[in-house]
Amino acid sequence: GPKVLQIPSHQIIDMGQMVTLNCDPVSNHLYFYWYKQILGQQMEFLVNFYNGKVMEKSKLFKDQFSVERPDGSYFTLKIQPTALEDSAVYFCASSPLTGGYAEQFFGPGTRLTVL
Amino acid sequence: QQQVRQSPQSLTVWEGETAILNCSYEDSTFDYFPWYHQFPGESPALLIAIRPVSNKKEDGRFTIFFNKREKKFSLHIADSQPGDSATYFCAAASSFSKLVFGQGTSLSVVP
Repeated sequence: GPKVLQIPSHQIIDMGQMVTLNCDPVSNHLYFYWYKQILGQQMEFLVNFYNGKVMEKSKLFKDQFSVERPDGSYFTLKIQPTALEDSAVYFCASSPLTGGYAEQFFGPGTRLTVL
Repeated sequence: QQQVRQSPQSLTVWEGETAILNCSYEDSTFDYFPWYHQFPGESPALLIAIRPVSNKKEDGRFTIFFNKREKKFSLHIADSQPGDSATYFCAAASSFSKLVFGQGTSLSVVP
């Protein structure tokens, strides 16, 4: 089936540093999402992105977070500066329609550890 | 309130039995209810989903039962197999919006 790729699979950084998580969505998909999953808990929505713009974001999407997809390349989540509570697995997802109930395809996740 | 509550937190069934996982919600604007499963170290994958136009959706051994009045929906896994052992997440969404996930049920199917 369609595959969403995420790079890197693991990232360990010191608190206060900047980190960029990369997502390669399915090629014809139009909506992109980031979710955060703390170990043993459910995934929580961070942000979705369509046509170059943030459409919706949650309270978890702090001012230190930003997303972009320059020129159809990777869809990125940047955290600057990072905090200890940012340690989690971050899942990227994409869906093929402009809205509605299209299936969201999830990537394998990036495990971020902030020391 | 955009919350989805899921129970039980963990469930163990014998091979061949039916596993039943339950979810409830409060937000009346939710109108799409998917179930995902997630194996350790892997990403969540869609199993089956339902819209409230119907109260039941079947796909092989997997069935969603939906009760709009009580704002509850459940996943029944018939003839459970050891390969079904995973964490299952229910979710809900409104039109054009994000998925709100339940807390997950860790299912173990014992041979």
